[in-house]
Amino acid sequence: DQQVKQNSPSLSVQEGRISILNCDYTNSMFDYFLWYKKYPAEGPTFLISISSIKDKNEDGRFTVFLNKSAKHLSLHIVPSQPGDSAVYFCAAPNNAGNMLTFGGGTRLMVKP
Amino acid sequence: DAGVIQSPRHEVTEMGQEVTLRCKPISGHDYLFWYRQTMMRGLELLIYFNNNVPIDDSGMPEDRFSAKMPNASFSTLKIQPSEPRDSAVYFCASSRGGGRTEAFFGQGTRLTVV
Repeated sequence: DQQVKQNSPSLSVQEGRISILNCDYTNSMFDYFLWYKKYPAEGPTFLISISSIKDKNEDGRFTVFLNKSAKHLSLHIVPSQPGDSAVYFCAAPNNAGNMLTFGGGTRLMVKP
Repeated sequence: DAGVIQSPRHEVTEMGQEVTLRCKPISGHDYLFWYRQTMMRGLELLIYFNNNVPIDDSGMPEDRFSAKMPNASFSTLKIQPSEPRDSAVYFCASSRGGGRTEAFFGQGTRLTVV
């Protein structure tokens, strides 16, 4: 049972445009979400997080939006840069808050 | 700190052989996680430790898999005997406070069982 889903396995965007990566979850008890970025041959690295008490969190070019009623979150990258090309994972801690469940990932390709 | 260190980076072994993957977490982190990444299943949690104690091993696929954490600075994931379907990238990660805090991942071990 995949509690965190990323339905788009890949996304291609032109440099300078907006990238929007989507994530859906099924567990209404999830109250904290994280995005990780992964380059080839490296481990995932933390990018940005959001608590369910907020509907938006911004960090430079990266903004995460949370729609609790739809159980949906999205990561916006504006403007997209070629160096953003990577696999992006959304994740949520379990109810006890001590382990993460990851989505399947979305491969973002930013074309120069 | 050098970050989470995993060894080896690559491992090629024959079916039936024992494989041991190693991890050194970041000093001071009290949570350690072992993940496996495959094309079919994405990034899945195998087991995690808190203060060197295994807390949840429900993600360990079979009895062929075992993990230990004899002290705060070292953990192993062992597969015995290995099978071709175990081929994947195995990641170790550590964090200060479980799932709500940033987890730091190692570079992974790419395991190929032939």
